[in-house]
Amino acid sequence: DTEVTQTPKHLVMGMTNKKSLKCEQHMGHRAMYWYKQKAKKPPELMFVYSYEKLSINESVPSRFSPECPNSSLLNLHLHALQPEDSALYLCASSRRTESFDANTGELFFGEGSRLTVL
Amino acid sequence: GESVGLHLPTLSVQEGDNSIINCAYSNSASDYFIWYKQESGKGPQFIIDIRSNMDKRQGQRVTVLLNKTVKHLSLQIAATQPGDSAVYFCAERGSGNQFYFGTGTSLTVIP
Repeated sequence: DTEVTQTPKHLVMGMTNKKSLKCEQHMGHRAMYWYKQKAKKPPELMFVYSYEKLSINESVPSRFSPECPNSSLLNLHLHALQPEDSALYLCASSRRTESFDANTGELFFGEGSRLTVL
Repeated sequence: GESVGLHLPTLSVQEGDNSIINCAYSNSASDYFIWYKQESGKGPQFIIDIRSNMDKRQGQRVTVLLNKTVKHLSLQIAATQPGDSAVYFCAERGSGNQFYFGTGTSLTVIP
């Protein structure tokens, strides 16, 4: 199984709503990532989890709250979002390794959750 | 974050020709680079990677070249096909196993 599965594929929410995006992988990867991608732009790193612990937060506003309940799951909790937060949210995973091996470091991406904030 | 950029935002090539997509990176300490392909409505897909101790790596129809002196990466696609039409991103790995993406090049293959 080499898939990263994201749900929902599409989400529309109001600025006062609370919703969550979910990501799941069963590749045994111990690093998981959230990226945000606006139209015609590159993916922008938000968070990195390493061995289920938050290792990198790229100064993301607190209205985005990540959670890693176990090594296979990654959530992104959304609250009081703004219309400019509308974007494609991509989850990715990779093997976490301290030793360098060119064939094991790649990110595997899900298809993304398309978020629209009204 | 790191700064990884691309020289050309769009590229059009004739089917069967070779394509070259370029990327500049700013962090000389980056140790690993990846090229991704992203089709409309999909997540990025891995194409090829290269370690910083290499200057060339070949895959099926694709070659990545790394020039550390000028901090430049290129992706060469041989015999470009319509299915190669997509946006291509380079990404570099930082010290915390995080990946930063470049601006992207939109490749259009003309049949």
